Amino acid sequence: DTEVTQTPKHLVMGMTNKKSLKCEQHMGHRAMYWYKQKAKKPPELMFVYSYEKLSINESVPSRFSPECPNSSLLNLHLHALQPEDSALYLCASSQEGSYNSPLHFGNGTRLTVT
Amino acid sequence: GNSVTQMEGPVTLSEEAFLTINCTYTATGYPSLFWYVQYPGEGLQLLLKATKADDKGSNKGFEATYRKETTSFHLEKGSVQVSDSAVYFCALLSGAGSYQLTFGKGTKLSVIP
Repeated sequence: DTEVTQTPKHLVMGMTNKKSLKCEQHMGHRAMYWYKQKAKKPPELMFVYSYEKLSINESVPSRFSPECPNSSLLNLHLHALQPEDSALYLCASSQEGSYNSPLHFGNGTRLTVT
Repeated sequence: GNSVTQMEGPVTLSEEAFLTINCTYTATGYPSLFWYVQYPGEGLQLLLKATKADDKGSNKGFEATYRKETTSFHLEKGSVQVSDSAVYFCALLSGAGSYQLTFGKGTKLSVIP
């Protein structure tokens, strides 16, 4: 069982919709991440929050908007997406940003943009 | 910069065969090394890790040894099962304040009965 919980598991949205992805962890981790994974590719980093502050934004388009309401929760707000944004979106957490703190991933939200 | 190179797949093995998936890396400093596994339709699970040279990570019959002299972290299992069919990613973390996992491209393993 994964200790990082993501909802929903599947999401289909039109290009004019607004939706949100949610992620929760109760391991006391202080770093949380959003990754995007296309089929047959490794995950690509989108955002990193450290101690509830955005510390890394990998030049992600503004139609993706992250939010970290508290140390256990991470949201990704979606608006005006394109079909090429269809992918598996993975949330992860780690104890801290150090070289020996492995990331723990959720099972992801499979997003389809129509 | 950091990089991870792992053998291209797909790899198809018969049940109970020996598995090796090669992984080599380039990094500044002294990285930590990881193997993640992704089963169909799921997220990534940490399979094993090693944080310094000569460390051996092991889990569920899988092993990998951190070899600094050859900058390698090859994944091995003595007898694979059908349930091991998945995509395996080698990855590294390097440096203090490091949040960025560097992944290899992934190797798809299929085990047939």
